[in-house]
This record gives sequence, structure tokens and C-alpha cells, in this order.
Amino acid sequence: DAGVIQSPRHEVTEMGQEVTLRCKPISGHNSLFWYRQTMMRGLELLIYFNNNVPIDDSGMPEDRFSAKMPNASFSTLKIQPSEPRDSAVYFCASSLMRSTDTQYFGPGTRLTVL
Amino acid sequence: AQTVTQSQPEMSVQEAETVTLSCTYDTSENNYYLFWYKQPPSRQMILVIRQEAYKQQNATENRFSVNFQKAAKSFSLKISDSQLGDTAMYFCAFSYTGANSKLTFGKGITLSVRP
Repeated sequence: DAGVIQSPRHEVTEMGQEVTLRCKPISGHNSLFWYRQTMMRGLELLIYFNNNVPIDDSGMPEDRFSAKMPNASFSTLKIQPSEPRDSAVYFCASSLMRSTDTQYFGPGTRLTVL
Repeated sequence: AQTVTQSQPEMSVQEAETVTLSCTYDTSENNYYLFWYKQPPSRQMILVIRQEAYKQQNATENRFSVNFQKAAKSFSLKISDSQLGDTAMYFCAFSYTGANSKLTFGKGITLSVRP
């Protein structure tokens, strides 16, 4: 199994630009999670989906952030417009059914907003 | 809401020695799950070990074992025979058992294994 796939691995953009992060979960997994990791705030859950349906988006910082899961094998996290404080590592993770099942993390996307 | 506390920001251990990483949590629930995840310099998050709260027996995975003290709400990770590849950041995490529950992570602890 290829594991969770994220792209791009690194993204450098300028303030105000739109950024789209992509994730392909492990085949057969029904839950998908987006996390953000920073030195100041640690690892934060932004949003998660069960069977492609958003269950909890209370961690999404503001309206500039949006996430979609159009099908079981693909999800996107979009930031529009981006700001320097969005600079972080963004992880996608998937699990079989729910968060109590083991979560498998992707390699992360390091985002730098100048 | 539950909280997970890792009070030690970093630790160091000599190769082949044993080290224990501490974690405490706060919850009013009786059924839940606890996890330790490892994040090496590659940044990948890797599950180390998992414990179900209803199980009294401490979980063990090769050189990794936990000391789960439910009454004290403590969940420490013991690494035996430390190896250089164990150098990483370690996160303690908590989850309720509900269908739509989510993981709550501690701040993490940086472990360095010295040759």
C-alpha cells in the first residue's frame, strides 16, 4: 500500500495567493483528517470527514480555509487568500472508520507564505 | 473537553538505555483510547502504541511499552534498549470512543538518543 499521499510536499507562495493542498487517503479508509502543525500551537485538527461528509470543522481557523472531499479517494484543503501566519506543516491522515481507529499520516506539506 | 499534557519539552538518553516519557490527561469519561505517536525528522507521524482504557493490561510493542494508570490519568511510554533511530518527537494523544470523536494531541516531547 502506498500510504497516505499528499501534494505538494513544499509550497512557497506570496501573501494573498490561493493555496490548494491535496490528499489521497489509503484505499478502503472511510475517515480523513486535516491537521496543522506549528511550533507555537502544536498539532491541531482542522477538519475531519467520515464517508466523505464533513463531521467537525470547528478547528478551521477562519473563512479563508475550506476543505472538500468529493470522493473517497481525494480531498483538498484550500486557503484563500493566504497570510504569513498560515505558514505551517499541514498533515492529512486517514483511518478505517473513525478517529479511535489507528490514523495513518501522510508526509505533510510544508507551506510558507511570504 | 479533554486535555493532554506532556510537561517535559525534551529528554536525552544514552543508546541502549531505557527512557520513560510522561503524559497525563484529563477526562470525565470512562471509555476512551490513548496513543503515542512518533515524529522523526522526516516529519512523518507514526503510530507507536495504542491503549484501550477498558483494558487493564498495559500495551506492549517490541521495545515500547506503556504504564497506564487510569485512576491517576497517566499514560507514560517506556522505550527499552534505545536506538539512534528512536530520536524523534513523541506525541501523546487521546480519543473518546464515540463515532464522531477526534484525537487530541499533547504538545510533544523531543527525545534525543546519544551514541
